[in-house]
Amino acid sequence: NAGVTQTPKFRILKIGQSMTLQCTQDMNHNYMYWYRQDPGMGLKLIYYSVGAGITDKGEVPNGYNVSRSTTEDFPLRLELAAPSQTSVYFCASKAGLDADTQYFGPGTRLTVL
Amino acid sequence: GDSVTQMEGPVTLSEEAFLTINCTYTATGYPSLFWYVQYPGEGLQLLLKATKADDKGSNKGFEATYRKETTSFHLEKGSVQVSDSAVYFCALTMKTSYDKVIFGPGTSLSVIP
Repeated sequence: NAGVTQTPKFRILKIGQSMTLQCTQDMNHNYMYWYRQDPGMGLKLIYYSVGAGITDKGEVPNGYNVSRSTTEDFPLRLELAAPSQTSVYFCASKAGLDADTQYFGPGTRLTVL
Repeated sequence: GDSVTQMEGPVTLSEEAFLTINCTYTATGYPSLFWYVQYPGEGLQLLLKATKADDKGSNKGFEATYRKETTSFHLEKGSVQVSDSAVYFCALTMKTSYDKVIFGPGTSLSVIP
């Protein structure tokens, strides 16, 4: 199993550009999450999904959108990039409600200039 | 609201020194408690966990005991190695509709030979 994979690893965007961060898991997990990690801070939840076709907002959803058309994929969309979105983005997955361990991808480092 | 507090870093230790990273939490109810580790350039990995009071989680020589009376989950290791250099995150999970995970800000550990 590859686990949770994320692409790209690094990206530089100009203000106002758009991009999609990809996340795929091969563990057949129902729950998936997107977090951002700012320097010296813990992780903040952006969006989550409890299954294909179901998504909901986390703590810091503004400026982002997600979709979950399959169990495996959970892409994160930035429509109009802003410098405040410069961060490291982590995707994570979990088997289900009764599972307590999240599995993380390696992260995408995004810089908005 | 629910929160996790960790000792400020960075922490620098010599190889074979004793490690303690303090973690306290505030939560309504009975959370599960976790320590995650993030090695340079990687995503978070679960290090250990405890799901009820007085449980001790352990892995790779690290230990932490769930202390309900002091709302603490301090991480300890008797003899650190250079390979333990990483950022350590204390976290809690509350059983909600999506198993919200609350992370502490992280403590950076550097172990020097």
